Amino acid sequence: NAGVTQTPKFQVLKTGQSMTLQCAQDMNHEYMSWYRQDPGMGLRLIHYSVGAGITDQGEVPNGYNVSRSTTEDFPLRLLSAAPSQTSVYFCASSYLGTGEQFFGPGTRLTVL
Amino acid sequence: GDSVTQMEGPVTLSEEAFLTINCTYTATGYPSLFWYVQYPGEGLQLLLKATKADDKGSNKGFEATYRKETTSFHLEKGSVQVSDSAVYFCALSHSSASKIIFGSGTRLSIRP
Repeated sequence: NAGVTQTPKFQVLKTGQSMTLQCAQDMNHEYMSWYRQDPGMGLRLIHYSVGAGITDQGEVPNGYNVSRSTTEDFPLRLLSAAPSQTSVYFCASSYLGTGEQFFGPGTRLTVL
Repeated sequence: GDSVTQMEGPVTLSEEAFLTINCTYTATGYPSLFWYVQYPGEGLQLLLKATKADDKGSNKGFEATYRKETTSFHLEKGSVQVSDSAVYFCALSHSSASKIIFGSGTRLSIRP
């Protein structure tokens, strides 16, 4: 079991560029989510999904898109990167209704 | 709405000291309660959980008891080690939902 994997581990973008952060899980979890963690701060929910074809917004969705075409994958797309999106991004997954989430190792993103 | 409040950090202790990190919650019904730990440069991982009132969760020498009457879930360890240095997050979730609500995190540093 690889658990939750994220790629890339590090990324530097210029303002206005777009990119996709990849997230995959091999535990057949229905629920997947994306968080951002800024220095000295807690986690903020960006988007989440309760199953293939179903996504919804979290606390801070602006500037990000998601899709869920398969149970395993939940990519996060930055449409036009801004310095305010400099952060560490975590993907997590769980079975529905358990609250017990498994986290990936994170992607550290810097936007210049 | 539901919320989690935990003590501000950073908390600095000497090795073998007793640890308490306070956590209180506001929620309707009977949520499950969690403590997650984040070691430097890593994602969060579940440390322990409790799913009903008076349950005690325990793992790696850490304990927390679900106190419905005081809406608390304080984390304790009798003798901390340098390897316990990390950020600790208290969290809650309802069985009817998969979203998890995190506290802001408490950074713990242990001096040798």
